[in-house]
Amino acid sequence: QLQVQESGPGLVKPSETLSLTCTVSGGSITSNTYYWGWFRQPPGKGLEWIGSIYYSGNTYYNPSLKSRVTISIDTSKNQFSLKLSSVTAADTSVYYCARLRIYDISGSYPDYWGQGTLVTVSS
Amino acid sequence: DIQLTQSPSFLSASVGDRVTITCRASQGISSYLAWYQQKPGKAPKVLIYAASTLQSGVPSRFSGSESGTEFTLTISSLQPEDFATYYCLQLNTYLPMTFGQGTRLDIK
Repeated sequence: QLQVQESGPGLVKPSETLSLTCTVSGGSITSNTYYWGWFRQPPGKGLEWIGSIYYSGNTYYNPSLKSRVTISIDTSKNQFSLKLSSVTAADTSVYYCARLRIYDISGSYPDYWGQGTLVTVSS
Repeated sequence: DIQLTQSPSFLSASVGDRVTITCRASQGISSYLAWYQQKPGKAPKVLIYAASTLQSGVPSRFSGSESGTEFTLTISSLQPEDFATYYCLQLNTYLPMTFGQGTRLDIK
């Protein structure tokens, strides 16, 4: 059974860089039928896609966050990571990592999600 | 960017009711749409992808359909465990993934 699990600091200071890692177990991150992605949800609000990565390193980012986001992949550790720079209180959210199943040439959807981790931006 | 507008934002219904939630895309997205269910404190769960394909393990009372840029999630007979928030999601890999704003389904 595939599992994805977020890890990282729960508290980040304003203007600093938020860093999270997602560890994949029960499956290989190098499968060519999946992307791997990050999502977030501010407390009491809706869901937002941050970005996705393929095992080859190809990345896709939300245009509204692109200037601050870096997603990378470490196939040797079966992990992928998120860095979000210059954070403000508006970046306080539950952050989720997920596997995205590729079902056709242009379509993929998140089918396995981590439990989520709350990251608070505060001094 | 593609905008997804869900309606209604809030819905109150009873066990056994048939309910419909709509998601309208600001431009054509073919069938690249999924529906998710989220319960408080939990990660979203996929119900439908490719507009009308039921995810494995999801009860058959859930169904999805599309007509042009309007997509519909239907629950044929509400069960107690169905009270949750529902989101639509645009799935085309080559466009930014965008969610609808959500529909909260409460018990009447």
